[in-house]
Amino acid sequence: GAGVSQSPRYKVAKRGQDVALRCDPISGHVSLFWYQQALGQGPEFLTYFQNEAQLDKSGLPSDRFFAERPEGSVSTLKIQRTQQEDSAVYLCASSLMNTGELFFGEGSRLTVL
Amino acid sequence: AQRVTQPEKLLSVFKGAPVELKCNYSYSGSPELFWYVQYSRQRLQLLLRHISRESIKGFTADLNKGETSFHLKKPFAQEEDSAMYYCALIMDNNDMRFGAGTRLTVKP
Repeated sequence: GAGVSQSPRYKVAKRGQDVALRCDPISGHVSLFWYQQALGQGPEFLTYFQNEAQLDKSGLPSDRFFAERPEGSVSTLKIQRTQQEDSAVYLCASSLMNTGELFFGEGSRLTVL
Repeated sequence: AQRVTQPEKLLSVFKGAPVELKCNYSYSGSPELFWYVQYSRQRLQLLLRHISRESIKGFTADLNKGETSFHLKKPFAQEEDSAMYYCALIMDNNDMRFGAGTRLTVKP
């Protein structure tokens, strides 16, 4: 596809379950970002990759959150032992290096019961 | 630390009226600033960037380093401008931080 693709679009998890959210960036895009967007809030930075290197993970809220991009393309955000406060839309974005223009996916809405 | 501040969560104007969405930033390096927009049921997308000094859909934004501001302005708002607007800052390591957003409603 031409755009950033995220799956699943919607995920309902019971508290304590592990979840994995996938992001397929635009082909050739070097940079990949994950953001968490709570209801009524702006996107909060989680982590940033340049190719397969995770250059900044300072936004990950706890050690239950883990992200990887092993081959420099597809990325997975994993949340272990989900909690209710993890409920949010998780946005993935990609960009060509240094352009500053991020292309966003539609997001994965996670609801933790 | 909060790097991008948008003081208004909601802003409502009438069609044809001027509109200004405020953005202030806090960053010790050389800032690159952007405005992103999210229309109803669409993805977040780039509206404009300060380095281009461009006008997109009638919107302009000027970087004021003295006031650390990057306010978005349009002289005559249109109903189709109703959307969420996010100010964003890219830092030296190329990661991007967003403000909390302002919901603009343009009334007929």
